Amino acid sequence: EIVLTQSPGTLSLSPGERATLSCRASQSISSSYLAWYQQKPGQAPRLLMYGTSSRATGIPDRFSGSGSGTDFTLTISRLEPEDFVVYYCQQYSTTPWTFGQGTKVEIK
Amino acid sequence: EVQLVESGGGLVQPGGSLRLSCVVSGFTFSTSNMNWVRQAPGKGLEWVSYMSSTSGTTYYADSVNGRFTISRDNARNSLYLQMNSLRADDTAVYYCARRAGGSSLDRYFDYWGQGTLVTVSS
Repeated sequence: EIVLTQSPGTLSLSPGERATLSCRASQSISSSYLAWYQQKPGQAPRLLMYGTSSRATGIPDRFSGSGSGTDFTLTISRLEPEDFVVYYCQQYSTTPWTFGQGTKVEIK
Repeated sequence: EVQLVESGGGLVQPGGSLRLSCVVSGFTFSTSNMNWVRQAPGKGLEWVSYMSSTSGTTYYADSVNGRFTISRDNARNSLYLQMNSLRADDTAVYYCARRAGGSSLDRYFDYWGQGTLVTVSS
């Protein structure tokens, strides 16, 4: 099983700042098989990025993804108030498809 | 508009059974590969099970293998999860989620339902 470890667990930033979220895999995965989801309180997850760097439909361009091998990053260039929620990475290279434990972005 | 609506959750005693349903609209269910994903209270996401569009391929997480069964009825646009021998650690919100496409590159989940809560407790 591929274990994904997200860091930090909580990121405290101010609106307008840049957020950098990390996702590290226990073994190398193709960048084609890494996704990011956003989850607001009380809501289902929403797809943000797939294939490491492709934005899902309707996702603003302040969200970007990068990485390869075992290290992947979600960057939010300028935080908007609605971005202060939880983010999960997911690998879909091999079953079981696994998620990271999440990073909460909170207002500083 | 794409909609996935789960139902069937509730309170069940340890060792009991429950059947979840997910009815979809707004896309062609019969050609869509589907998943169940769960989230324990205050915890992260855990993939549970997958079924291909034709029901020919199924996968399960080790934590539920042998206890849960995924199925679908394409005529009813419905996905199911039969859960037997339930344990306290099965307590979670259960989401159905569509796999984006048939290619291996499209195995991410592009549409999710709002979830249904399953509580296993005596």
